[in-house]
Amino acid sequence: QKEVEQDPGPLSVPEGAIVSLNCTYSNSAFQYFMWYRQYSRKGPELLMYTYSSGNKEDGRFTAQVDKSSKYISLFIRDSQPSDSATYLCAMRRDSGAGSYQLTFGKGTKLSVIP
Amino acid sequence: NAGVTQTPKFRILKIGQSMTLQCAQDMNHNYMYWYRQDPGMGLKLIYYSVGAGITDKGEVPNGYNVSRSTTEYFPLRLELAAPSQTSVYFCASRSHSGTGGGNQPQHFGDGTRLSIL
Repeated sequence: QKEVEQDPGPLSVPEGAIVSLNCTYSNSAFQYFMWYRQYSRKGPELLMYTYSSGNKEDGRFTAQVDKSSKYISLFIRDSQPSDSATYLCAMRRDSGAGSYQLTFGKGTKLSVIP
Repeated sequence: NAGVTQTPKFRILKIGQSMTLQCAQDMNHNYMYWYRQDPGMGLKLIYYSVGAGITDKGEVPNGYNVSRSTTEYFPLRLELAAPSQTSVYFCASRSHSGTGGGNQPQHFGDGTRLSIL
């Protein structure tokens, strides 16, 4: 079993739809959970960063973490064509003295159709 | 406000050639990272550095070398290019949390697209 599993899609939705993106993980050492957005030909940019189980909201984006099920989600409300990108989940494992490493999912390619 | 700058943006190499991928950051970040991203795959960590003069291997270091003589620069060296090293390479940096843990996200450059033929 891979440490981080993410459905690569592609996922195509109409403008205004609610989008749900998900990742599962197997390593209990992961303590922090992130979602990155990556536009074509660009580097990943951080969208959401969560630590504890529960929900975290930022504008149209909600990140949800369920540590007991080892499952994280990103919801996008009122999706816009500008949300069309690849979304990568990332899990953080601390290695001491302020150092950490990230393990990334494969990314889900999202297209929002006007 | 440059952030993380990677050069070149594109490069084609022949098998057996060598090259250095450049990465510079102007945020005075201690930590720097090199990742590779293959099509349909997540990012894999190649090497990282916790400060000038200190580097360590990541998940996929074979075929690569790094050095970190200053805070700003973290070049990645390919000595004998192989087709398996065809990929998009991303450099990232972050500040030190100071208290162990904490929200210090990695900031990424826009990548170097490398093809080896």
